[in-house]
Amino acid sequence: DAGVTQSPTHLIKTRGQQVTLRCSPKSGHDTVSWYQQALGQGPQFIFQYYEEEERQRGNFPDRFSGHQFPNYSSELNVNALLLGDSALYLCASSSKRETGGFKGAFFGQGTRLTVV
Amino acid sequence: QQQVKQSPQSLIVQKGGISIINCAYENTAFDYFPWYQQFPGKGPALLIAIRPDVSEKKEGRFTISFNKSAKQFSLHIMDSQPGDSATYFCAAGNSNSGYALNFGKGTSLLVTP
Repeated sequence: DAGVTQSPTHLIKTRGQQVTLRCSPKSGHDTVSWYQQALGQGPQFIFQYYEEEERQRGNFPDRFSGHQFPNYSSELNVNALLLGDSALYLCASSSKRETGGFKGAFFGQGTRLTVV
Repeated sequence: QQQVKQSPQSLIVQKGGISIINCAYENTAFDYFPWYQQFPGKGPALLIAIRPDVSEKKEGRFTISFNKSAKQFSLHIMDSQPGDSATYFCAAGNSNSGYALNFGKGTSLLVTP
């Protein structure tokens, strides 16, 4: 059973460019959340997708946008990249329909984005 | 502002000892408190989680203690092993907010042989 998979693992972009990161959730999961983890810090919540709609959003500018597809996979898009966007971007999947309630959010290995 | 405060920032424990990491929160709407373990170059891995209706939860060598009135919770790692050396994050979430997690800043644990 594959866990959460993210692609690519590493990415280098130039300031001002746009980037798209991808995530496939754990089998059976329907909810995808994205987090940004700066070096030496805890992950910061960006947004969450369920049923192809953004359901929750953290304190991130509109340059950060996303999408969820019918197969529950998700993309994170960042426009007009800044040097400060350099971070590890993590995808976490979970399920809103688990018997017995919420069983937790499970993270992928992340995409390391470097903006130069 | 940081909604979950974690301490200490770093911790050194001898093999076989007990590692203790503490977290505090302000938002009483939080109803889910997980702990994650992260190794360099990897994503966080869910270790154990607790709800506010219980004061303690144990899974193997890992125990969460929860004090609702003090708005504090802690992770205890019994019989710490060198393989436990990693960064540990506490987090808090709210079922009404889709369990979007607010993380602490992390504790770097080193278990010496």
